[in-house]
Amino acid sequence: GIQVEQSPPDLILQEGANSTLRCNFSDSVNNLQWFHQNPWGQLINLFYIPSGTKQNGRLSATTVATERYSLLYISSSQTTDSGVYFCAVEQNQGAQKLVFGQGTRLTINP
Amino acid sequence: GAVVSQHPSWVICKSGTSVKIECRSLDFQATTMFWYRQFPKQSLMLMATSNEGSKATYEQGVEKDKFLINHASLTLSTLTVTSAHPEDSSFYICSARGRLAGDTQYFGPGTRLTVL
Repeated sequence: GIQVEQSPPDLILQEGANSTLRCNFSDSVNNLQWFHQNPWGQLINLFYIPSGTKQNGRLSATTVATERYSLLYISSSQTTDSGVYFCAVEQNQGAQKLVFGQGTRLTINP
Repeated sequence: GAVVSQHPSWVICKSGTSVKIECRSLDFQATTMFWYRQFPKQSLMLMATSNEGSKATYEQGVEKDKFLINHASLTLSTLTVTSAHPEDSSFYICSARGRLAGDTQYFGPGTRLTVL
């Protein structure tokens, strides 16, 4: 099956810093989503981005489908950005199921 | 829009009992629902996929007789953990996708199961 690798596994930053999270995948995809899991476990949809670039406030994401990676940018980090960020992909011609990466645990210190 | 709810949010039960978890899509019709399990500090692992009106498709290694899934309507799927044991303690999360939600999966808030 498709492999999804996220890096870095852990990231600790000071408030106000910028960060880039990476997601590599091993095969063609027709769906890629970025999520933020908050401390209570809720998965919050950040982006549906199988290709191209999107921006939402301080967050933006870019997926280069031909090179099989996606990047999530967080600018001017706030303590509320802390949590685990997951990338998940749905393989082309697959069974509509998402395969999750192992996540990046982001800690923003005040 | 595209809200998914789960009930209960947490449950504690004795070993050997069965526990039912409900997953509802509140503002869209979910043609497909998914059940995931997440152990502490780990990623989400898909357990099964269910389409309305048909039997669920289980991932390899998931016991279908232990984790009963029913997707009886376009807004409701249930997961029943039968004869639960301590090793079944985990965070169970459902997601849904439907006609008006496009290809995006929307996730419920999760149910934390603790089996004593």
